[in-house]
Amino acid sequence: NAGVTQTPKFQVLKTGQSMTLQCAQDMNHEYMSWYRQDPGMGLRLIHYSVGAGITDQGEVPNGYNVSRSTTEDFPLRLLSAAPSQTSVYFCASKPQGYNSPLHFGNGTRLTVT
Amino acid sequence: RKEVEQDPGPFNVPEGATVAFNCTYSNSASQSFFWYRQDCRKEPKLLMSVYSSGNEDGRFTAQLNRASQYISLLIRDSKLSDSATYLCVVGPMNTGFQKLVFGTGTRLLVSP
Repeated sequence: NAGVTQTPKFQVLKTGQSMTLQCAQDMNHEYMSWYRQDPGMGLRLIHYSVGAGITDQGEVPNGYNVSRSTTEDFPLRLLSAAPSQTSVYFCASKPQGYNSPLHFGNGTRLTVT
Repeated sequence: RKEVEQDPGPFNVPEGATVAFNCTYSNSASQSFFWYRQDCRKEPKLLMSVYSSGNEDGRFTAQLNRASQYISLLIRDSKLSDSATYLCVVGPMNTGFQKLVFGTGTRLLVSP
């Protein structure tokens, strides 16, 4: 029972490099999302998807792209990494229904130098 | 005003104590409420949903006060293992799609 799987766990990038954070879920959840967590700021929504082929921006989308070609996968792409993107990134999924909770992946610690 | 506000703490309590946290929210149209627990350097995990009539799960009791727009979490007989950060999460309904809003968390430290 894998749940939400994120890779990699840790990543160090140089400014300007690009990379993709992977996220996969095996619970057939319609809703998937990416958050970043910074000290004193709580989790902030980057992008989300309500189903395959549908994505939308969250609170802090600049510098990130997403796609949702399948129900299971929701990768997050950093186009040109900046030090301000140093953070912990969490992928989360949930089924439809406003009262259903989010299930989180283990997180990716990203450092941009 | 932040959409969801929590006292960051830390709340330092001895084992066996009862401790309570509050979380206020600004959107009166909010419809879903949760408490998550987050251990250091780990992902948030659902502790409990919060229902209108209040609900209990073992040593944990959650309450919702719509009139004053806050939810609360009461922990009885605190254990060392309860040491963590507790995140309040609120789901507004007026965005056309439910986007959960997270508080910054309240840190609890339980000591022997």
